[in-house]
Amino acid sequence: EAGVTQFPSHSVIEKGQTVTLRCDPISGHDNLYWYRRVMGKEIKFLLHFVKESKQDESGMPNNRFLAERTGGTYSTLKVQPAELEDSGVYFCASSQDWPMNSYEQYFGPGTRLTVT
Amino acid sequence: KQEVTQIPAALSVPEGENLVLNCSFTDSAIYNLQWFRQDPGKGLTSLLLIQSSQREQTSGRLNASLDKSSGRSTLYIAASQPGDSATYLCAVPRDNYGQNFVFGPGTRLSVLP
Repeated sequence: EAGVTQFPSHSVIEKGQTVTLRCDPISGHDNLYWYRRVMGKEIKFLLHFVKESKQDESGMPNNRFLAERTGGTYSTLKVQPAELEDSGVYFCASSQDWPMNSYEQYFGPGTRLTVT
Repeated sequence: KQEVTQIPAALSVPEGENLVLNCSFTDSAIYNLQWFRQDPGKGLTSLLLIQSSQREQTSGRLNASLDKSSGRSTLYIAASQPGDSATYLCAVPRDNYGQNFVFGPGTRLSVLP
């Protein structure tokens, strides 16, 4: 069974440009999460989808970040316009709703974003 | 606000030693706790998930315990091997409802041959 996949693995863009990150969760996982780690800091939660609905987006830093999950399958995270402080590694994770209250999260390899 | 700390920040041991990694969290109203390992430049690999109703979980040479009342979890690694070298992270939900994890800073483990 394929794990969580993310694309691209690495992206280098200039300040002010737009970047779109993609995440494909494990098949059948209704829950999809985005996290990020900026240099020297802990991994921080960004948002959580249940199918195509945003369950919790309390971690989104500002309105330059837009996440979508059309059809409840893959998700995209767009940063527009990118700023220097957006550099870091963006992780995607997914989990299923059973066994009840399990919610074990499986992470992808991450996308390393560098804004210059 | 949930906060997670991990001790030690780094650990270097010779091959074959048994070791313990510690994780502490401030809000004990959690329904699970998950341990991960991260290899350099790679994603997070799930090691063990402990439900709030459990006190421990085992997988091979790994054993994780959970004491909700004291806000602590430990990850015990038996007979360490060089392949165990990685950063170990613990994560707990922000609260008893949400699934968004709060991560600790990690323990960087080096097992010397």
